[in-house]
Amino acid sequence: AQSVTQPDIHITVSEGASLELRCNYSYGATPYLFWYVQSPGQGLQLLLKYFSGDTLVQGIKGFEAEFKRSQSSFNLRKPSVHWSDAAEYFCAAGRREMRFGAGTRLTVKP
Amino acid sequence: NAGVTQTPKFQVLKTGQSMTLQCAQDMNHNSMYWYRQDPGMGLRLIYYSASEGTTDKGEVPNGYNVSRLNKREFSLRLESAAPSQTSVYFCAVMGLMNSPLHFGNGTRLTVT
Repeated sequence: AQSVTQPDIHITVSEGASLELRCNYSYGATPYLFWYVQSPGQGLQLLLKYFSGDTLVQGIKGFEAEFKRSQSSFNLRKPSVHWSDAAEYFCAAGRREMRFGAGTRLTVKP
Repeated sequence: NAGVTQTPKFQVLKTGQSMTLQCAQDMNHNSMYWYRQDPGMGLRLIYYSASEGTTDKGEVPNGYNVSRLNKREFSLRLESAAPSQTSVYFCAVMGLMNSPLHFGNGTRLTVT
C-alpha cells in the first residue's frame, strides 16, 4: 500500500543549529514528493517539491531536500534554524493520489 | 480570486446528524481532494476526484460520501455523524500531477 512515514513526531533544536527532518515513502513507482509547513492555526504552505532531475532541491525560507531513490527517502534540511521555523512539517508523496506523513513538530530553543 | 473556498468554517453536529461540506475552486484544476487532519496523524486522504465525473477512495473513506458536481465543486457528505469524525477537514485542488496542492482554509467539525 502507498504510504509516507515521518519517523520523528517531535524535534527540538537550538536556534542557529542545523535541522534534518526525515521522510520515507512506499510507492510502486517514484512518486512526486513535497514538503509543506503548517504554523499553528494556519493552512499548509509549500516549501519545496521534487518530480525529476537534480536530486537536491531548493525551497523557500532556506530549506532544501534530497531525494534518495535507493533509500526511498526525501529528507528536509536547513543549515541554520530560526525561531520563526517553529511549526509542523509534513512530507507528501504521490502522483494523482497524494498522501501525507503524520508530521514532525519542530520546536526551536532560544 | 478566491482559490479554494470551503463552507462552512465551523460546524457542531450531534451524533447521527448528517451534513455536507462544500468545496468550490476557481483555479480550473482537474483534481480535487478531501483530507481530514487530526493531531498526531497528519492529513489523511478521505476521497479524491482526479477529474470531473470520477471519484476514488483514499485512506479513510468509511462514513463519508462525495460528489463531484462539476469541475468547480466537490462536496463531502457525512450521512450519520459519529464523534470519531470530529476533525478539521481540508479540501485541496491540484492541476498537473507534479504541481502542489492548493488548500482551502478548512472546516472545523465537532460531533458530540
